Amino acid sequence: GENVEQHPSTLSVQEGDSAVIKCTYSDSASNYFPWYKQELGKGPQLIIDIRSNVGEKKDQRIAVTLNKTAKHFSLHITETQPEDSAVYFCAASKSNSGYALNFGKGTSLLVTP
Amino acid sequence: ETGVTQTPRHLVMGMTNKKSLKCEQHLGHNAMYWYKQSAKKPLELMFVYSLEERVENNSVPSRFSPECPNSSHLFLHLHTLQPEDSALYLCASSQDAGSTDTQYFGPGTRLTVL
Repeated sequence: GENVEQHPSTLSVQEGDSAVIKCTYSDSASNYFPWYKQELGKGPQLIIDIRSNVGEKKDQRIAVTLNKTAKHFSLHITETQPEDSAVYFCAASKSNSGYALNFGKGTSLLVTP
Repeated sequence: ETGVTQTPRHLVMGMTNKKSLKCEQHLGHNAMYWYKQSAKKPLELMFVYSLEERVENNSVPSRFSPECPNSSHLFLHLHTLQPEDSALYLCASSQDAGSTDTQYFGPGTRLTVL
């Protein structure tokens, strides 16, 4: 089955700096890659997703890049703010292959003022 | 907060108790999911319902029993749990049941089994 590796497990940045979280996947047929943000005491919230027909997608301070050849995708957060502090999860899945999103183990991001 | 609500938010139960978790989605979706979230592990898919029919059961022990009376409500009935079942239980929904359909999560129920 699909295996998703996520790095780093913890990340600390200063406010205003950029943060990058990377994920690799094993199944070359995977074609859907969402990113979720989970704040303390809350469920995961979708922040951005990308499908394999594009290489990059941006939404204000958040961007995701996808390298299908290398089978990795990354989340980029620019101009980080303290409210960006949370656990971020990547996931990968493919069409017509059951119902499971295959999640990474998460990255705990801390943005210090 | 998303359009998916869960109750209770916290639950403490003994191993011999019977309890139920409730999930409700206000998004008009056709599919609902139960996930288990444990520390240091990826989210684990437990059950999937599509149009009130169970379509996936990921080798979950029978002490967990799901119920989906309609497309807006999902329950997880708990009986004779073990301490290792302590975790955050998350409900999610999506427009249709499929691994590439965007899933929206509720806030979860934090379960502690004594």
